[in-house]
Amino acid sequence: KAGVTQTPRYLIKTRGQQVTLSCSPISGHRSVSWYQQTPGQGLQFLFEYFSETQRNKGNFPGRFSGRQFSNSRSEMNVSTLELGDSALYLCASSLDAGFKLEAFFGQGTRLTVV
Amino acid sequence: DQQVKQNSPSLSVQEGRISILNCDYTNSMFDYFLWYKKYPAEGPTFLISISSIKDKNEDGRFTVFLNKSAKHLSLHIVPSQPGDSAVYFCVGGGGATNKLIFGTGTLLAVQP
Repeated sequence: KAGVTQTPRYLIKTRGQQVTLSCSPISGHRSVSWYQQTPGQGLQFLFEYFSETQRNKGNFPGRFSGRQFSNSRSEMNVSTLELGDSALYLCASSLDAGFKLEAFFGQGTRLTVV
Repeated sequence: DQQVKQNSPSLSVQEGRISILNCDYTNSMFDYFLWYKKYPAEGPTFLISISSIKDKNEDGRFTVFLNKSAKHLSLHIVPSQPGDSAVYFCVGGGGATNKLIFGTGTLLAVQP
């Protein structure tokens, strides 16, 4: 079956703009989580959605938001982009909430803010 | 607050030898730990996990050891192969927040 799909793969935006990233989880998976990866910081947890509800949130400013649709697809939005938002954004899906089972990651969206 | 720490940013070993990747954690509430492997331009892939009530889990060439009293875990790869060259992330999961907390990763290079 198809894996986790993230679009777009690469994105270049200007400071102050906003951006929306998309994630389609593995079919049947209801939990979607988002991570930010920057050099030297590992993967920082952004938020987790399960059945269209945000279940968990990391320590990121309110400029970072997300949502999940009834088909489990998720979008992440970053408003008023800053240079420091340049990163690889990874989406992970799992069957249930809370990562009791392994999470499957997409290839990520590489966002560059100039 | 870095709850999961991988103090070695990189490790180089010869093909056929043992690779030992180390990880320390501060959150005693983790229910389980995982190791993920990441190749360039790909998302992380799950490698192996261990419950916090176990001290060892083995899967083929990969073994994870957990020392709860020392809040330390390690991943052993024996024998190491060039295809194992990747970034390895140590991850703590479960607990009160039920999130996956990633370490900063260790870049393993297996030399032929």
